[in-house]
Amino acid sequence: QQQVKQSPQSLIVQKGGISIINCAYENTAFDYFPWYQQFPGKGPALLIAIRPDVSEKKEGRFTISFNKSAKQFSLHIMDSQPGDSATYFCAAISSFGNEKLTFGTGTRLTIIP
Amino acid sequence: EAGVAQSPRYKIIEKRQSVAFWCNPISGHATLYWYQQILGQGPKLLIQFQNNGVVDDSQLPKDRFSAERLKGVDSTLKIQPAKLEDSAVYLCASSLEESGRARDEQYFGPGTRLTVT
Repeated sequence: QQQVKQSPQSLIVQKGGISIINCAYENTAFDYFPWYQQFPGKGPALLIAIRPDVSEKKEGRFTISFNKSAKQFSLHIMDSQPGDSATYFCAAISSFGNEKLTFGTGTRLTIIP
Repeated sequence: EAGVAQSPRYKIIEKRQSVAFWCNPISGHATLYWYQQILGQGPKLLIQFQNNGVVDDSQLPKDRFSAERLKGVDSTLKIQPAKLEDSAVYLCASSLEESGRARDEQYFGPGTRLTVT
């Protein structure tokens, strides 16, 4: 059962452009939504996270937009750079029961010069 | 600060053989996680330790997988016997907080890539 759906599977963006990755969830008990960045041969690293009581969170060039009613959230990377080329995972956590990270399937982002 | 260490980085075994992975978390981190990441998928939690006690092993295939965390520090994950579908990257992560809440930042190691032939 895939509780967090992520799209697209892969994305190619020109340097300086905006990269957009979308996620949707089904479990209304989810109340914390982190994004992870993973470079080849490395483990995922926390990039940015949001709680559902805010609609947007920005850290540098990275912004999460959150739509609670639609149960969707997205990552925007402004002024995308070749160093941003990586796989990005959205995730979700529920406070109910035993908390565990539920990851999306990942988006492989490639920034071309 | 040293990160999470894992070894080996790569392992190739035949099906029905056994294999073990080792993880050394960041010093002082109370909570340790093992994840399985199959190619093209996000990581899936296998087991969570808080100090040396198991918090969650609901997704660990206990007929073939086992894990332990000795003295609340290092941990080993074992597969015996391995199946073809166990081919994946096995990630270890640790977090500082003793609360063991998943939203406490988890620091991931580089993983062990297992290929079962």
